[in-house]
Amino acid sequence: AQKITQTQPGMFVQEKEAVTLDCTYDTSDPSYGLFWYKQPSSGEMIFLIYQGSYDQQNATEGRYSLNFQKARKSANLVISASQLGDSAMYFCAMRGGAGNQFYFGTGTSLTVIP
Amino acid sequence: ETGVTQTPRHLVMGMTNKKSLKCEQHLGHNAMYWYKQSAKKPLELMFVYNFKEQTENNSVPSRFSPECPNSSHLFLHLHTLQPEDSALYLCASSPLNSQNYGYTFGSGTRLTVV
Repeated sequence: AQKITQTQPGMFVQEKEAVTLDCTYDTSDPSYGLFWYKQPSSGEMIFLIYQGSYDQQNATEGRYSLNFQKARKSANLVISASQLGDSAMYFCAMRGGAGNQFYFGTGTSLTVIP
Repeated sequence: ETGVTQTPRHLVMGMTNKKSLKCEQHLGHNAMYWYKQSAKKPLELMFVYNFKEQTENNSVPSRFSPECPNSSHLFLHLHTLQPEDSALYLCASSPLNSQNYGYTFGSGTRLTVV
């Protein structure tokens, strides 16, 4: 069975500092995709970054990077130089398994402090 | 703009009303989804449509009735709802069978049942 776990319900970070949001996953499939989404208070789910299970290098997109540790089944999101606009809910997700379904974690609420 | 448009953004309805939520995408995706997001709860997958055919109904009450007239449009018809149905309803689309492609979400409809 596929499962995504986010153990940090809430996180605080000082503006301009880096923050790591944790995500672990469970799957027996060799092929899968890992994603992070940002959901501001307006409700829209915004795609941030993707990591394929066969990718050798960690994905990066601007200030976002994904720390992919396959053996540990973890896919942590690192946000560098936090900005006030980064305050939002962050969801880790995995796509794979039978039917190529999408599985979401419960989310982490990030608050950036000025 | 993500390419997935949901209307209306906000909806307040009485328990005896009938209303519809609309979702539209012109990304060329052939799968569309309805999700429910209640406060302090994980995202719940409600319905899945692949090439206009419903392939998944996750034990959703019959007061929610989906309709997919073509692969670009998805509706959620609502009738005799309960206060606990108040939530953010998110529509998403994706290409089928693509693990390295996530879902593209709309901005959601925030529904309040009074």
